[in-house]
Amino acid sequence: GAGVSQSPSNKVTEKGKDVELRCDPISGHTALYWYRQSLGQGLEFLIYFQGNSAPDKSGLPSDRFSAERTGGSVSTLTIQRTQQEDSAVYLCASSNRGLAGGHEQYFGPGTRLTVT
Amino acid sequence: AQSVTQLGSHVSVSEGALVLLRCNYSSSVPPYLFWYVQYPNQGLQLLLKYTTGATLVKGINGFEAEFKKSETSFHLTKPSAHMSDAAEYFCAVSLVTGGGNKLTFGTGTQLKVEL
Repeated sequence: GAGVSQSPSNKVTEKGKDVELRCDPISGHTALYWYRQSLGQGLEFLIYFQGNSAPDKSGLPSDRFSAERTGGSVSTLTIQRTQQEDSAVYLCASSNRGLAGGHEQYFGPGTRLTVT
Repeated sequence: AQSVTQLGSHVSVSEGALVLLRCNYSSSVPPYLFWYVQYPNQGLQLLLKYTTGATLVKGINGFEAEFKKSETSFHLTKPSAHMSDAAEYFCAVSLVTGGGNKLTFGTGTQLKVEL
């Protein structure tokens, strides 16, 4: 079946511009996660959505970062006024359960963001 | 809070040799432990996971890992390396209860397999 998809695969933007990254999770998965992978910081958790509950935003690095999940499916990660340190690969994952640990997360191929 | 330490950012082995990638964790509550593999320009793929039960866990592609609570370790092994195993490997931990299953990753180990 279809896995997690992300778009665009690559995004180059100028410093100060806003960007939107999209994630389509596996159909039926209630939990959705965003992670960031960068050379300096490794793999970091950003935000987590579980069903209709309020998202866990504890990993967002600044208020320039926000995310939405519409209709319990597609998610958009928005970065406003991009900075060069935002350059990274942004990974999305989904899981069919998220309330307790141990459930496999399926990762998308990522969006490589380059801020010039 | 939980954390993961992977010893050795780069490991090189000969084809056919034993692969050993080290992972130690720190967690105030019982953890769930994972190993993921990442091939160039791809996302993460789950190799194996430890949740409960048997402490020796077998995964895909001939990999296995053993959860040792006394040593707080979850090292990844494969008896005989293949060229196709060259990739980056990440150890990760999530909490058994609460935390929403979000993963905390180690810094990764790049595995190189030489002829």
